[in-house]
Amino acid sequence: GENVEQHPSTLSVQEGDSAVIKCTYSDSASNYFPWYKQELGKGPQLIIDIRSNVGEKKDQRIAVTLNKTAKHFSLHITETQPEDSAVYFCAARAGSARQLTFGSGTQLTVLP
Amino acid sequence: EADIYQTPRYLVIGTGKKITLECSQTMGHDKMYWYQQDPGMELHLIHYSYGVNSTEKGDLSSESTVSRIRTEHFPLTLESARPSHTSQYLCASSEYDRGFQETQYFGPGTRLLVL
Repeated sequence: GENVEQHPSTLSVQEGDSAVIKCTYSDSASNYFPWYKQELGKGPQLIIDIRSNVGEKKDQRIAVTLNKTAKHFSLHITETQPEDSAVYFCAARAGSARQLTFGSGTQLTVLP
Repeated sequence: EADIYQTPRYLVIGTGKKITLECSQTMGHDKMYWYQQDPGMELHLIHYSYGVNSTEKGDLSSESTVSRIRTEHFPLTLESARPSHTSQYLCASSEYDRGFQETQYFGPGTRLLVL
């Protein structure tokens, strides 16, 4: 089955700096890669996703890049703000009949 | 804002008790899921359902059971709670998509403590 590895497990950045979280996946058939943000006391919420036929997708301050050859994808947050502090999960799925496999999560802290 | 609800939000219970964690969604989604989230943050899929009368076990073995009698309702039951069941339980739902994308909407979670 699919195996998703996520790094780093914790990340601290100064407000205004950029943050990058990286994930690798094992199943070359995976074709859908969402990112979720979990704030304290809440369930995860989708913030951005990318399909395998796209190399990059951007939505305001967040962007995701995908390298299918290397089987890795990354989340980039620019101009970080204190409200970006949360746990971020990457995930991968190989087709609509499969389930999402989540990474182990990254605790992002944005220092004021 | 996702319309998916979990009750109770917090539960402290003694060993050996039977408990049911409730999950309801008003979006008409066919697919529903239960995840167990450990203190190290990782999400582990323990049960899922593709629709009414469909239930499957997830990647992580669990002593819990689930049922799906109505589309909107996906309760999780522990017949005899043990301290090892202490965790956060997250329910999620998604619309069945024959293509690539499948946004999962998560509930707020139930934090369970078994003494």
